[in-house]
Amino acid sequence: QQPVQSPQAVILREGEDAVINCSSSKALYSVHWYRQKHGEAPVFLMILLKGGEQKGHDKISASFNEKKQQSSLYLTASQLSYSGTYFCGTEFRGSQGNLIFGKGTKLSVKP
Amino acid sequence: EAQVTQNPRYLITVTGKKLTVTCSQNMNHEYMSWYRQDPGLGLRQIYYSMNVEVTDKGDVPEGYKVSRKEKRNFPLILESPSPNQTSLYFCASSLRTFLNSPLHFGNGTRLTVT
Repeated sequence: QQPVQSPQAVILREGEDAVINCSSSKALYSVHWYRQKHGEAPVFLMILLKGGEQKGHDKISASFNEKKQQSSLYLTASQLSYSGTYFCGTEFRGSQGNLIFGKGTKLSVKP
Repeated sequence: EAQVTQNPRYLITVTGKKLTVTCSQNMNHEYMSWYRQDPGLGLRQIYYSMNVEVTDKGDVPEGYKVSRKEKRNFPLILESPSPNQTSLYFCASSLRTFLNSPLHFGNGTRLTVT
């Protein structure tokens, strides 16, 4: 049931773009995105509730394709502060409250 | 300051010695949850609680107990810890059961069982 994230790791130069994908084998109720910096707690980025929904703030945005049971996180013009591990969390229909996270995608942004 | 507070931050114990990790939130959140984080495995949910006196198993509940007698507190109990429970533990809370409500995480408790 754990969602599958890809890629597992990505290295970028400042200013480059990245896409992180999150796929599920079951129908999704919601998708959450969090970022965790080394030695710190995960921090909330955004939640997507409806198929086709897109959200974003600053240069980080996400989409939710309910039909394909997947979500993608887009980071544009990356900054050094974007480095960290990104987790998607999925909530399935009929199991609200049971938020299951993927294994994470480690993003490293180099100067 | 709105926060989720876990104690202790670090704990080293021996196999079989009962322990409790406390978690408290001051935001009047309905939902609380415990996760463990292990390298390469991500965050795995242990237990969650939708409200007072309501708790449900997550994906890895074996060896753990929880209780939710008050809205603000959600302690994690290890009755007989074993080395495979060595991990980084996070408590989290949310205003309500999701639906556009983010999780707020505590700072984590690093547990070592020898």
